Amino acid sequence: EAQVTQNPRYLITVTGKKLTVTCSQNMNHEYMSWYRQDPGLGLRQIYYSMNVEVTDKGDVPEGYKVSRKEKRNFPLILESPSPNQTSLYFCASSARGGRTETQYFGPGTRLLVL
Amino acid sequence: GEDVEQSLFLSVREGDSSVINCTYTDSSSTYLYWYKQEPGAGLQLLTYIFSNMDMKQDQRLTVLLNKKDKHLSLRIADTQTGDSAIYFCAETYAGTYKYIFGTGTRLKVLA
Repeated sequence: EAQVTQNPRYLITVTGKKLTVTCSQNMNHEYMSWYRQDPGLGLRQIYYSMNVEVTDKGDVPEGYKVSRKEKRNFPLILESPSPNQTSLYFCASSARGGRTETQYFGPGTRLLVL
Repeated sequence: GEDVEQSLFLSVREGDSSVINCTYTDSSSTYLYWYKQEPGAGLQLLTYIFSNMDMKQDQRLTVLLNKKDKHLSLRIADTQTGDSAIYFCAETYAGTYKYIFGTGTRLKVLA
């Protein structure tokens, strides 16, 4: 089944403790992206990647890092999480990032930073 | 600048039409999208429209684009309870692979 998976689905952590949220897709997609969803603010793009070793900033990259060492994986790294990073995070992928392509979204990771 | 705005809530009766509105500020937008998010799930692309089009129809969905006013709307005909969800408009524009999403409109369909 074609899908985007994220782990963990739920995470509670404390300020400053490094964490990684994994994202994996099995569709051989070149384009992958991370978003955060906050009430009243909609979705905001954090980082995106056009292909292996090619990443670029979205609208809200501060406090996040990403890497794209393999085509299927696009982990989101919070080196020193802060409470303002409490949010619902979505990973998405599409074939080549073309504007007429469907972005497939993962189920979301709900993060609480205390 | 990049800003996409939507009203937060809309309530309609089953069988009526729903119209969800979106305004954007970047006149160089190339594609505009409507996504649906059901409770506890990720987003699902419903439809998109290229910026040189005025209208696009796909079964019960009609998208209208007024480029002069930077206004995008999604009309859902014969709204059903299964249409209850959050609807997001989004845009991309030339020279970038960034997506800008709106704040989302929560549609509630009353039986």
